Amino acid sequence: GQQVMQIPQYQHVQEGEDFTTYCNSSTTLSNIQWYKQRPGGHPVFLIQLVKSGEVKKQKRLTFQFGEAKKNSSLHITATQTTDVGTYFCSCSRGTYKYIFGTGTRLKVLA
Amino acid sequence: EAGVAQSPRYKIIEKRQSVAFWCNPISGHATLYWYQQILGQGPKLLIQFQNNGVVDDSQLPKDRFSAERLKGVDSTLKIQPAKLEDSAVYLCASSPGLAGVNTGELFFGEGSRLTVL
Repeated sequence: GQQVMQIPQYQHVQEGEDFTTYCNSSTTLSNIQWYKQRPGGHPVFLIQLVKSGEVKKQKRLTFQFGEAKKNSSLHITATQTTDVGTYFCSCSRGTYKYIFGTGTRLKVLA
Repeated sequence: EAGVAQSPRYKIIEKRQSVAFWCNPISGHATLYWYQQILGQGPKLLIQFQNNGVVDDSQLPKDRFSAERLKGVDSTLKIQPAKLEDSAVYLCASSPGLAGVNTGELFFGEGSRLTVL
C-alpha cells in the first residue's frame, strides 16, 4: 500500500531556532494535509495543500507542496516551547480516505 | 459546536478479554473513521464508514476486530479477544464526506487508550 515517510523522526532544537520536517511519497499525491499532535493529545488539523508548488503560511509556519506533488515540507521559524509536539502529514487515497505519515517529534529546549 | 465524543478514555484489560469503544461524530458528518495509534507511531486507519456503509476496512484485523455504525451516526469498535499488541490509542474521527464541503480536515476525538496486560 501507499506509504508516506517523514524525516526526521525526531528533532530537538533550541528555542528560537528554525525547524523543518519533510514528507515524502513514492506516488503522486492529489493533496496533502498537515496535523499537530501535542503530547497526550489528539491530532489537530493545520492545513491542506492541493496545488503543485503551493506555498501557504500561518504565522511562523510555512507549508510547501512539491512541484511533482510527491513531497511536502513544514517549516517553523523561530520555534517556541508551544510548538512542542509531533507533526504528521497525511494524504488522501480514494474517497476521503486519509493515510498518515510516520510523524516528526519536535522538542524545543528553552 | 460539539466535537467528536469518545468513551471510555482509558481501559485496562487482560489478554483474551474483550473491549468495546464508542464514538459519536460531529453532527451531520457522514464519514467516520477509526484509527489505531501505537505509541510513537502515526495513526493507522482501521475502518472508514460513509453513513452506515463500510468504505474501507482493509487494515482491520477481522478475526478479532469488528466495527459497526448501524444508524449512520455513532459507532462502536470491538476487540475480542484482545492481544498484547492491541495496546494503543483508538482514535475516532469524522468529516463531512459526501454530506458537505470538505477541506481535507478530519476532526478527531480525544481517543480511547487501551492497555492489554
